[in-house]
Amino acid sequence: DAGITQSPRHKVTETGTPVTLRCHQTENHRYMYWYRQDPGHGLRLIHYSYGVKDTDKGEVSDGYSVSRSKTEDFLLTLESATSSQTSVYFCAISDPGLPEETQYFGPGTRLLVL
Amino acid sequence: GEDVEQSLFLSVREGDSSVINCTYTDSSSTYLYWYKQEPGAGLQLLTYIFSNMDMKQDQRLTVLLNKKDKHLSLRIADTQTGDSAIYFCAEILTGGFKTIFGAGTRLFVKA
Repeated sequence: DAGITQSPRHKVTETGTPVTLRCHQTENHRYMYWYRQDPGHGLRLIHYSYGVKDTDKGEVSDGYSVSRSKTEDFLLTLESATSSQTSVYFCAISDPGLPEETQYFGPGTRLLVL
Repeated sequence: GEDVEQSLFLSVREGDSSVINCTYTDSSSTYLYWYKQEPGAGLQLLTYIFSNMDMKQDQRLTVLLNKKDKHLSLRIADTQTGDSAIYFCAEILTGGFKTIFGAGTRLFVKA
């Protein structure tokens, strides 16, 4: 988890409220990712970024938006949270300079939508 | 479509070897990975193997890759209680942006 922080680490919110999760890295890696982890599904990609202001959708992007105005920060926004978005959210980073193209993960944010 | 499958649970006794298996679908994957997740934590890279290799050994860990059958395995020798965790198999698809993860195998180590 070194070099990657996520905030908040835990959040409880109500259906219909907006929620923003933050991922911050100090590694200067170019790529950043948001995943959600749910039992029986492993990790599923929500959105990813391949540079400042450059983002694209993953396999479960409905209901989520992202922004990346600085290399070090990648924000995930739930515009109007639903109970189906209760999950653990992980941020990851990688860089094309890494020979094994490995992704490194943050500690996760546990979100409960009531 | 793209998919990575692994069994959900494995139970072993301390000191025995553990073998966690995984099948994947994308034959063009360049790298295949094993990640470990301990309770309340993020995923930690354990090891990886390049697609042109058959085997990789790293201390107590041995990764075997059978490209013909699209089968990947992770062997942990002399399994310890500290190895109890969820282990994820993952493949990175051509282009490097998309990594597909399995659902994870929960390893229980009995003392």
